Amino acid sequence: QSALTQPASVSGSPGQSITISCTGTSSDVGGYKYVSWYQQHPGKAPKVMIYEVSNRPSGVSSRFSGSKSGNTASLTISGLQAEDEADYYCNSYTGGTTPYVFGTGTKVTVL
Amino acid sequence: EVQLVESGGGLVQPGGSLRLSCAASGVAFSGSVMHWVRQASGKGLEWVARIRSKGDNYVTEYAASVKGRFTISRDDSMTTAYLQMNTLKIEDTAVYYCTRQGSGTSWFDPWGQGTLVTVSS
Repeated sequence: QSALTQPASVSGSPGQSITISCTGTSSDVGGYKYVSWYQQHPGKAPKVMIYEVSNRPSGVSSRFSGSKSGNTASLTISGLQAEDEADYYCNSYTGGTTPYVFGTGTKVTVL
Repeated sequence: EVQLVESGGGLVQPGGSLRLSCAASGVAFSGSVMHWVRQASGKGLEWVARIRSKGDNYVTEYAASVKGRFTISRDDSMTTAYLQMNTLKIEDTAVYYCTRQGSGTSWFDPWGQGTLVTVSS
């Protein structure tokens, strides 16, 4: 099972919106609604930001939103803030003998 | 407060063994699916293994990179999950996180703070 493909880096100025893509196949991202997104600050554990493609857990800012089209899922951060600077990983259920796969990760930089 | 605390990491020689523990508190542990995820220094997250609940017969699954060498287990009475790692390789060096998948859910929450495993001679 290959890792899902994400851009290595995305940057934006405070207040802007950015979008991170996560491309898989019909066997993972395209085949299930079970895509989640995780934020990881340096030296910290990951934190779930979006689950089941577009749902936000309680306590996560409404500036974070998710969507999916075909084999590509996306995470959008609106009104970019300095605290959003972190690494972001997508994850998808695969239904195979390796049931979950992460994306390659995207470093978000706030300019 | 929901909390997962890993322990057991350390320095081990190639070919050696190590057992990691993940103690859970504040969660409905027995109905949860428990996972281990690892992250090599400067690299991305890699899913390692999961163990389902008693209701799903404690079925286990592994990443191809660790299958046959690692064993995940759990003790519901102790609300603890384990990862027995045998025949360790240098490429197993990473921070190992345990995380929980709630009953009927598909995402990982919460995560432990991680425990560092270093395989080196």
